[in-house]
Amino acid sequence: EAQVTQNPRYLITVTGKKLTVTCSQNMNHEYMSWYRQDPGLGLRQIYYSMNVEVTDKGDVPEGYKVSRKEKRNFPLILESPSPNQTSLYFCASSSGQGIDSGNTIYFGEGSWLTVV
Amino acid sequence: LAKTTQPISMDSYEGQEVNITCSHNNIATNDYITWYQQFPSQGPRFIIQGYKTKVTNEVASLFIPADRKSSTLSLPRVSLSDTAVYYCLVGASRGYNKLIFGAGTRLAVHP
Repeated sequence: EAQVTQNPRYLITVTGKKLTVTCSQNMNHEYMSWYRQDPGLGLRQIYYSMNVEVTDKGDVPEGYKVSRKEKRNFPLILESPSPNQTSLYFCASSSGQGIDSGNTIYFGEGSWLTVV
Repeated sequence: LAKTTQPISMDSYEGQEVNITCSHNNIATNDYITWYQQFPSQGPRFIIQGYKTKVTNEVASLFIPADRKSSTLSLPRVSLSDTAVYYCLVGASRGYNKLIFGAGTRLAVHP
């Protein structure tokens, strides 16, 4: 079954304590991305990756880091979390560049992060 | 990247057909139109995709006029479980990095 798996699903942490949200896909997709979703702001892209060792900033990259050492994994790192990073985070993957024919984007179930 | 405009919210009743229209005046020649559905606290899920005319699958139909400046997602005989946010996406043929989800259309289906 095609899956994008994120962990943890729920986390409450304190300001400044580094955390990592893992993301793994089993579809051999080249493209992976992270989004955050906040009320009234929709889904905003944080970082994306077109392949192993190839990453780039999305619309709201400040305060986040990513790495893509393996094709299936794309962890999101918050080096020093702050309360304004409290949000619902989604990892996504796709077989192609964009949403052209056949390139469906698969999303994970989401990770609720609360920074106090 | 083509900007999309959708109604913020819609209401319907069980058993009715729901049509959600999306405007995308600046759609590019190579752009496809894709709709996603999102339930609360879940990731968006692909519903349907099309380029022109009409596309139908087991879940919905997508109508695209000849000028492609708009599209209509049609959900036949909705049920309470169709209550969700529906997103219209256009383009990204040259920019996965610029995929933009707008606010979407919040559909509420009532008994």
